[in-house]
Amino acid sequence: AQSVTQLGSHVSVSEGALVLLRCNYSSSVPPYLFWYVQYPNQGLQLLLKYTSAATLVKGINGFEAEFKKSETSFHLTKPSAHMSDAAEYFCAVSRGGYQKVTFGTGTKLQVIP
Amino acid sequence: DAGVIQSPRHEVTEMGQEVTLRCKPISGHDYLFWYRQTMMRGLELLIYFNNNVPIDDSGMPEDRFSAKMPNASFSTLKIQPSEPRDSAVYFCASSPHGDHQETQYFGPGTRLLVL
Repeated sequence: AQSVTQLGSHVSVSEGALVLLRCNYSSSVPPYLFWYVQYPNQGLQLLLKYTSAATLVKGINGFEAEFKKSETSFHLTKPSAHMSDAAEYFCAVSRGGYQKVTFGTGTKLQVIP
Repeated sequence: DAGVIQSPRHEVTEMGQEVTLRCKPISGHDYLFWYRQTMMRGLELLIYFNNNVPIDDSGMPEDRFSAKMPNASFSTLKIQPSEPRDSAVYFCASSPHGDHQETQYFGPGTRLLVL
């Protein structure tokens, strides 16, 4: 079975501060890992994904995530938060090769001016 | 491309009524997914199709829920009879075949309220 755990359902950062959203995965096979973002009243949108190529993955809007097998982690970071980053972020895992994607419970990011 | 289209965007109905949610996937995508999102349970996969064929419906909560995909450009999720606990946001997503098949493209969702 595969699963992801997102630590912290709510995270607050000041505008311009580092954003760090945590995700740990559990998978019996090398995983495919994703971060999606959901803005209010919208569907989810892919930020970035890891599919066993480079361990540091760069996504849209200045976000990046690093796959660390030893820590079973795939944390999402952005050096400087912007007000427009306020949204809910979902980590997700699949086995790849088209298999079912399992989503985490989400982390709501608040950016304080 | 217009993206994944869902209708209606909002639905308010009374308990016991039939509800039909509609989805038009992105043209050329081979996979279609139905999700339900609630505060209590988060985002749950209900069912997904590959080339119009249901592949995994293990997430469908009970027999009151049914989904069909009569052709590559249309899918429905039906709840009959509806209950208040079905109130949620229902998302449709589609995914292409090939290298990026793991990426899912979500529609804006249908917000369902069952009174």
